[in-house]
Amino acid sequence: DAGITQSPRHKVTETGTPVTLRCHQTENHRYMYWYRQDPGHGLRLIHYSYGVKDTDKGEVSDGYSVSRSKTEDFLLTLESATSSQTSVYFCAISEARQLEAFFGQGTRLTVV
Amino acid sequence: LAKTTQPISMDSYEGQEVNITCSHNNIATNDYITWYQQFPSQGPRFIIQGYKTKVTNEVASLFIPADRKSSTLSLPRVSLSDTAVYYCLVGDPGGFKTIFGAGTRLFVKA
Repeated sequence: DAGITQSPRHKVTETGTPVTLRCHQTENHRYMYWYRQDPGHGLRLIHYSYGVKDTDKGEVSDGYSVSRSKTEDFLLTLESATSSQTSVYFCAISEARQLEAFFGQGTRLTVV
Repeated sequence: LAKTTQPISMDSYEGQEVNITCSHNNIATNDYITWYQQFPSQGPRFIIQGYKTKVTNEVASLFIPADRKSSTLSLPRVSLSDTAVYYCLVGDPGGFKTIFGAGTRLFVKA
């Protein structure tokens, strides 16, 4: 399995608080992605990165920001969590765009 | 962006061959077709990818007709452990906007 670790694996937070999820890879892959998965919606792309300090928005980016200061780390931040952001968040990495992507185990976030 | 349509669910028995068809009428010239498998509480796992005709690996085969408006994932001799959700994706390898649909939930029975 690809070396990709998400932390934390589970988190419960209150509405209005900031939350940061971390994705760490040991594969030195250039591309990194954050998805959220909700019942009935499959996986939806939030943000992606194509290099250090190079990021762009996906289809559901509102309310989320990302940062990538090192190749191995891709952070997803919810500046002010809302109940609609309760979801399972997956990080993925790939060596080349849109080719085989490797997914992390996911982070289950609950906003109460 | 090319949208995909798959059956919501399928049932099969151990040892049977399973074929899951995906429709993608608006596929673009540069788009590739990729299939992922997802078990509960895990991230999706890449199964196979193709552009046209047939692709085969140790896990599955992917059949793509000449018009590329559909594709079929074929799983030979499924086992109980193949029970999962299977996603068909269509996207341009040069872009980042590949869309995951709702997937097909495959139940394999003993």
